[in-house]
Amino acid sequence: EAGVVQSPRYKIIEKKQPVAFWCNPISGHNTLYWYLQNLGQGPELLIRYENEEAVDDSQLPKDRFSAERLKGVDSTLKIQPAELGDSAVYLCASSLSMSMNNEQFFGPGTRLTVL
Amino acid sequence: GQQVMQIPQYQHVQEGEDFTTYCNSSTTLSNIQWYKQRPGGHPVFLIQLVKSGEVKKQKRLTFQFGEAKKNSSLHITATQTTDVGTYFCAGPRGSTLGRLYFGRGTQLTVWP
Repeated sequence: EAGVVQSPRYKIIEKKQPVAFWCNPISGHNTLYWYLQNLGQGPELLIRYENEEAVDDSQLPKDRFSAERLKGVDSTLKIQPAELGDSAVYLCASSLSMSMNNEQFFGPGTRLTVL
Repeated sequence: GQQVMQIPQYQHVQEGEDFTTYCNSSTTLSNIQWYKQRPGGHPVFLIQLVKSGEVKKQKRLTFQFGEAKKNSSLHITATQTTDVGTYFCAGPRGSTLGRLYFGRGTQLTVWP
């Protein structure tokens, strides 16, 4: 069974530029999560989808961050414009359902460096 | 708001020594999950504890959930170099299902 796929794995951009991350969850997983992980910290939730609906986006900085999960499968997370403080690893995770706090399967992440 | 606190932040042990990391919450948790992240890797699910006082074992790893469901621990017996990584506990916030709050993690280094 294929795991969660993310691309790109690494991205280096200059501040004020836009950037997008893509995630393909495990087949059949209805719930998709985007996390941000800073060095030495645990993952912090940005947004959570149940199928195509964003059910928890309270931690997403909506002035510059946006996300979508068209058709309830793949998802894209965008930052526009990027700031220096956005440098971090962006992790995508998926689970069968959010109803039972099922284990989450994480992708390899995208390491973003903003110069 | 609820925070999941984890100690210690770092632990260095000689191979063969035991290791324990502790997780504490300010509020009662419906369940708690543990994840391991290898250096340069991504978090990988280890286990979920649900019941008060629950104890689960996975080979050399022993997980406990406190009676009050506010704390948890992970104990590794006779560490090996393959145990190197950061161990995170994560718990849901209140009655919100699906949203996990991760601790800061304990970074384990094992010297051969």
